[in-house]
Amino acid sequence: GAVVSQHPSWVICKSGTSVKIECRSLDFQATTMFWYRQFPKQSLMLMATSNEGSKATYEQGVEKDKFLINHASLTLSTLTVTSAHPEDSSFYICSARAPLRGATEAFFGQGTRLTVV
Amino acid sequence: QQQVKQSPQSLIVQKGGISIINCAYENTAFDYFPWYQQFPGKGPALLIAIRPDVSEKKEGRFTISFNKSAKQFSLHIMDSQPGDSATYFCAASGAGGTSYGKLTFGQGTILTVHP
Repeated sequence: GAVVSQHPSWVICKSGTSVKIECRSLDFQATTMFWYRQFPKQSLMLMATSNEGSKATYEQGVEKDKFLINHASLTLSTLTVTSAHPEDSSFYICSARAPLRGATEAFFGQGTRLTVV
Repeated sequence: QQQVKQSPQSLIVQKGGISIINCAYENTAFDYFPWYQQFPGKGPALLIAIRPDVSEKKEGRFTISFNKSAKQFSLHIMDSQPGDSATYFCAASGAGGTSYGKLTFGQGTILTVHP
């Protein structure tokens, strides 16, 4: 199967600082990746769609200036949480389309737990 | 995003029993319906998925039943085991163009299987 890796797995940062999360497709090229946010005991909510070589598409209500997404290569997308605040503490998960035999699977990374103190 | 409604919120079954989780969707443009299993602190893992051209799909102990006219689909876990205890999410997406891989998730079901 396709492997998607996120780094770091967890991070603690001070309020007001910025944090970068990496999402890599290890054994396939991903022209499109997705970023989700999951609060405790809640479902995954799509934040944005990351397209290689172009600007990300953000879902309604997601601040694009706060959550900066860069998809500079076919195997790497990054999410930067700028000027983080405690309410940004959450589980951030990326996924990537895996074009396996024309299937529509999206494979997920292991997630990044962000805690802002 | 169009909603996907999932029930029940939590489910307790005995080892060997059948776990049934239900989902309903609104957007008729959805044509790909996966189920994901998530353990605490981990990303979701694809369990099984179905397209609307079939009414049922079985993989091992996991079966999806799909009712296109009712816009409902369900996950059945046969012979449930304690190791199945996790949170299960249904999801839906379109299959073409920009919809491919863009998932709308249900609210999740916390499954507990007692030994």
